[in-house]
Amino acid sequence: KQEVTQIPAALSVPEGENLVLNCSFTDSAIYNLQWFRQDPGKGLTSLLLIQSSQREQTSGRLNASLDKSSGRSTLYIAASQPGDSATYLCAVNSGYSTLTFGKGTMLLVSP
Amino acid sequence: GAVVSQHPSRVICKSGTSVKIECRSLDFQATTMFWYRQFPKKSLMLMATSNEGSKATYEQGVEKDKFLINHASLTLSTLTVTSAHPEDSSFYICSARWADSQETQYFGPGTRLLVL
Repeated sequence: KQEVTQIPAALSVPEGENLVLNCSFTDSAIYNLQWFRQDPGKGLTSLLLIQSSQREQTSGRLNASLDKSSGRSTLYIAASQPGDSATYLCAVNSGYSTLTFGKGTMLLVSP
Repeated sequence: GAVVSQHPSRVICKSGTSVKIECRSLDFQATTMFWYRQFPKKSLMLMATSNEGSKATYEQGVEKDKFLINHASLTLSTLTVTSAHPEDSSFYICSARWADSQETQYFGPGTRLLVL
């Protein structure tokens, strides 16, 4: 059974810092991996999707990497802003219908 | 990107009543829809997978008689919480995927259910 772990559970940084969120998964036989953002009481916003054959994806200040063999992914956020404050979820697609989520990292960026 | 809506966004009901939550794909045909449940500070847990025109597949531990799922059309799935109890209070999120795609699921904005 796939298990997804996100570290740290919470992170507080001052505005402008670069930061890294970590995601690990137990079964490397994945189809793709996705990072989401969730604001309090809201649904999920897809940030980046990395196919199993890819090593990284970039969108603006966000960069996600994937090391499938070691079961790890990182989300790098450059020059953090208060508007980046949210919970970031990592989800692994292990097949046609199965998305396994981590518990998320709650990020707070202070002005 | 594809848009998925949920209605209502929040609902408060009395214990023992039933509540229906709708999930709609607004600009694509969703042959498969998923229903998740999220407790505070916990990850999303898949409850069931529904395919248009067939019975839903429930995850282990999810009571199919309590959480009724209907996927009668390619753009609409409903989740009915029957005989709701306070422990059913949670955040319910649906997602949708179009035919034959192993790509991303598109998520709805969620429904906050509070059972008094």
